[in-house]
Amino acid sequence: GIQVEQSPPDLILQEGANSTLRCNFSDSVNNLQWFHQNPWGQLINLFYIPSGTKQNGRLSATTVATERYSLLYISSSQTTDSGVYFCAVERKSGGGADGLTFGKGTHLIIQP
Amino acid sequence: DTGVSQDPRHKITKRGQNVTFRCDPISEHNRLYWYRQTLGQGPEFLTYFQNEAQLEKSRLLSDRFSAERPKGSFSTLEIQRTEQGDSAMYLCASSYLLAGGRGEQFFGPGTRLTVL
Repeated sequence: GIQVEQSPPDLILQEGANSTLRCNFSDSVNNLQWFHQNPWGQLINLFYIPSGTKQNGRLSATTVATERYSLLYISSSQTTDSGVYFCAVERKSGGGADGLTFGKGTHLIIQP
Repeated sequence: DTGVSQDPRHKITKRGQNVTFRCDPISEHNRLYWYRQTLGQGPEFLTYFQNEAQLEKSRLLSDRFSAERPKGSFSTLEIQRTEQGDSAMYLCASSYLLAGGRGEQFFGPGTRLTVL
């Protein structure tokens, strides 16, 4: 199946800092999503971005599908940004669905 | 639109018992997915439905796991003869299928299962 690698696995930053999270994947994809998982386990949708660039407030994301990677940028970090960030992809298939394959996540801690 | 809902949110059971979880997807969505998440890992895909048809079930973890989606609305995931290794968060997601197989998935809050 498709492989998804996220880096870094852990990241500790001071409030106000900027960060870049990376997601590499091993095959062509139909879907790519970035999630933030809160302490209660809820997966919060950040971006649906199989290709291109999107921005939402302090967050932005870029996917270069031809080079099989995606980047999530967080600017001016706040303590509420802390948590686990997942990249998830769905491989292109012949009409069915493979479901999303998740990376292991980046555990982000923002210190005041 | 109230999002994807799951019930119960927590379930504690004894080894060997059967458990059933329910998922109500976003109403206009035609695809429904089940995932399992263990501690420290990302969610793992189990199965999915398109309307009422279960189109992929080879990824269910064993024959003790089964899922249904009668009438293409809510879905249930059943685990028979639970084992301690089944302890995990069970997540449901739904999406609206677009051209080319695309569609953003939205997740419910999950059901946390503890098997004693």
